Amino acid sequence: DGGITQSPKYLFRKEGQNVTLSCEQNLNHDAMYWYRQDPGQGLRLIYYSQIVNDFQKGDIAEGYSVSREKKESFPLTVTSAQKNPTAFYLCASTREDRVDQPQHFGDGTRLSIL
Amino acid sequence: QKEVEQDPGPLSVPEGAIVSLNCTYSNSAFQYFMWYRQYSRKGPELLMYTYSSGNKEDGRFTAQVDKSSKYISLFIRDSQPSDSATYLCATPNTGFQKLVFGTGTRLLVSP
Repeated sequence: DGGITQSPKYLFRKEGQNVTLSCEQNLNHDAMYWYRQDPGQGLRLIYYSQIVNDFQKGDIAEGYSVSREKKESFPLTVTSAQKNPTAFYLCASTREDRVDQPQHFGDGTRLSIL
Repeated sequence: QKEVEQDPGPLSVPEGAIVSLNCTYSNSAFQYFMWYRQYSRKGPELLMYTYSSGNKEDGRFTAQVDKSSKYISLFIRDSQPSDSATYLCATPNTGFQKLVFGTGTRLLVSP
């Protein structure tokens, strides 16, 4: 079955530590996205990538970094510069980065501070 | 003003009730509208996807868009306890696939 796999499901970060969240898709989708979900705030876009080796900042990119070396993979690093990282992180993908292509989501990674 | 507004609920209904979930949006240029269902500790799952005004039906679910009043609705007929989840409305914000989400409405269907 095709889908989006996020790992780990739960992640804990110590002060000053960088952590990387994995997102893999086998849907052959070109575009991939990272969102952050906080209670009462909906989903906010962190980074997106329309194609391999290219990515752009979303609304809340500060303290995060990404790479897109392979079509299937779009890992997100939460750096120590992100002072409030506790949230539910969601990865999404779509066949093309077009308004008529709905996004499909993985099951998320919940990040907490130790 | 937020681009997409949604009442957070919770909305509690008995099993079998007709549920109406609503969103308002501010930008008249928005053309595509989505409804996602999100169970606790899971990612959003695409439920309905509509273009411009009108109705779209899929089983017990009907999505309705009224562009004149910038109002979108999701109706659930014969609601079931398994429909208990958070429902998110979303629309792409012009030019490319930057989805703007409402905050979500939590629905509780009691047996």
